[in-house]
Amino acid sequence: DAGVIQSPRHEVTEMGQEVTLRCKPISGHNSLFWYRQTMMRGLELLIYFNNNVPIDDSGMPEDRFSAKMPNASFSTLKIQPSEPRDSAVYFCASTSWRVNTEAFFGQGTRLTVV
Amino acid sequence: QQPVQSPQAVILREGEDAVINCSSSKALYSVHWYRQKHGEAPVFLMILLKGGEQKGHEKISASFNEKKQQSSLYLTASQLSYSGTYFCGTKDWNSGNTPLVFGKGTRLSVIA
Repeated sequence: DAGVIQSPRHEVTEMGQEVTLRCKPISGHNSLFWYRQTMMRGLELLIYFNNNVPIDDSGMPEDRFSAKMPNASFSTLKIQPSEPRDSAVYFCASTSWRVNTEAFFGQGTRLTVV
Repeated sequence: QQPVQSPQAVILREGEDAVINCSSSKALYSVHWYRQKHGEAPVFLMILLKGGEQKGHEKISASFNEKKQQSSLYLTASQLSYSGTYFCGTKDWNSGNTPLVFGKGTRLSVIA
């Protein structure tokens, strides 16, 4: 398996623009997590899905953020409109349904909003 | 709740040992350790599931003291390749397949 695949790897956009980040989890994994990483706050959980269903989105900072998982092999995180404070590295991770197995992270998307 | 890691940063010379601590205010069901190198994704090191259980990875080992709600990561005879930021991720009791809550990380630099 190629692992968790995220795209794009880097994104530079202007304030106010819509940004869409994409994630393909490992085949057979049932849980998918979106994390945001900054120097100040570390790795923050934004939202997670079990079997394509959003379970907890309490970490989504504002209504400008939304996430979907239309099928088991694809998820998106959208920011509309984007702001400079959204600049961060966004990671997607997936894990199998078995309790206490390791989470596999994608390479991340480095987002810069200017 | 976010676990607290200490120290925030440490610098070692090759061959020296280090200990990284991870503490929670709540009883822990499991502790997961990850290492992240600059510009890369976090990579899994090990999971600790039972109070007092130790599991090793090369020259990196960890302990999980359930009573103290704390885990410690031990790096012995450090190598240059050990440099990176170490994160602990925790799960509470009976949390099932829920996400890890990560500490803010400990930056480890190993120099020659």
